[in-house]
Amino acid sequence: DVKVTQSSRYLVKRTGEKVFLECVQDMDHENMFWYRQDPGLGLRLIYFSYDVKMKEKGDIPEGYSVSREKKERFSLILESASTNQTSMYLCASSPPRTPAYEQYFGPGTRLTVT
Amino acid sequence: AQSVAQPEDQVNVAEGNPLTVKCTYSVSGNPYLFWYVQYPNRGLQFLLKYITGDNLVKGSYGFEAEFNKSQTSFHLKKPSALVSDSALYFCAGTTDSWGKLQFGAGTQVVVTP
Repeated sequence: DVKVTQSSRYLVKRTGEKVFLECVQDMDHENMFWYRQDPGLGLRLIYFSYDVKMKEKGDIPEGYSVSREKKERFSLILESASTNQTSMYLCASSPPRTPAYEQYFGPGTRLTVT
Repeated sequence: AQSVAQPEDQVNVAEGNPLTVKCTYSVSGNPYLFWYVQYPNRGLQFLLKYITGDNLVKGSYGFEAEFNKSQTSFHLKKPSALVSDSALYFCAGTTDSWGKLQFGAGTQVVVTP
């Protein structure tokens, strides 16, 4: 079974802090994704990576950056956390360049910025 | 622009009755369509997908979905709902070669005993 793990289930940070969300997958997938989930808005793609050190902006990249130094690990960075970044963050992975495969999701990190 | 719409915020159904969760899509080209389910405080779990071929797709936990190109719909169905089917359901689609998905807003399904 594919396993995608995220470093924290719940996280509380203060405005202005630098926040790191970590995601690890164990299926040697090339593609990895970061989404945020908000009620009534579904999931929105923040960033996407198709290989080590490669990244592409998604629909809502502002205020976020990412890092992928190893194939299995994809980190989401909030450079200076703001209250409007309070949300559920979901990481996912999938096999390489094809739309035909489903994505495998981690359990999510619920981030609260106060 | 590509988009996926779930017109119902919530669907209420009695246990044992048929369950339908609606999804419509607006994408250029041939779409790849997916259904995911999310239980409380959990990540998304894959239910089923339409890639090509047979318009009726069968998936996990007794769910199925019908791809209708003329109506641009991909409704999720289950003949007999269970209380344990109560969850948040997401429809998603893509024509992107990398598989980047557009998600609907989600539909909360409530199955009452």
